[in-house]
Amino acid sequence: EADIYQTPRYLVIGTGKKITLECSQTMGHDKMYWYQQDPGMELHLIHYSYGVNSTEKGDLSSESTVSRIRTEHFPLTLESARPSHTSQYLCASSEVMQYFGPGTRLTVT
Amino acid sequence: QQPVQSPQAVILREGEDAVINCSSSKALYSVHWYRQKHGEAPVFLMILLKGGEQKGHEKISASFNEKKQQSSLYLTASQLSYSGTYFCGTDNAGNNRKLIWGLGTSLAVNP
Repeated sequence: EADIYQTPRYLVIGTGKKITLECSQTMGHDKMYWYQQDPGMELHLIHYSYGVNSTEKGDLSSESTVSRIRTEHFPLTLESARPSHTSQYLCASSEVMQYFGPGTRLTVT
Repeated sequence: QQPVQSPQAVILREGEDAVINCSSSKALYSVHWYRQKHGEAPVFLMILLKGGEQKGHEKISASFNEKKQQSSLYLTASQLSYSGTYFCGTDNAGNNRKLIWGLGTSLAVNP
């Protein structure tokens, strides 16, 4: 069974605040991803990593940053949240197929 | 570069069949199929590898036509639980590092 966790599941925060979305996996996968997805819409890749100390920007420009200090942990940080950041953020890890976490639904007021 | 999925949406009655297509303008090394139910994360269905392989699981199967750069997902005798959005993800680089996702096909199965 795939184990990938995201916290928090829901977050409502005011404009200008700094936030960190957590993602952890217990499968030992080297590849990890962050996607942004509005309800019923396409998956936008915003960051990915092939292993520790390796991070790349995805296809969708994002003001967020990521780090990969440990294999199992891939947090995403927004230094200053804006209403345009309101969306669902999905984390995934992969060896061959991608396993998705439950997502964080972010609302910036 | 983004694969094109068709149709965009389909409505079925329980027991009917459906085909969802995923076409790429670039060479394909593999095609991944995922289903996302409303309010949930995408879940892996199957992967098709270069070589025209056809895979299946119960009443859901898929094919991969390397020459046409296309994959098709076949849902036979649809069940209510098949409802959701189906995404194809393509590996055009052959290294399975990141997938290029289609826009999705919304499938609704009604009683």
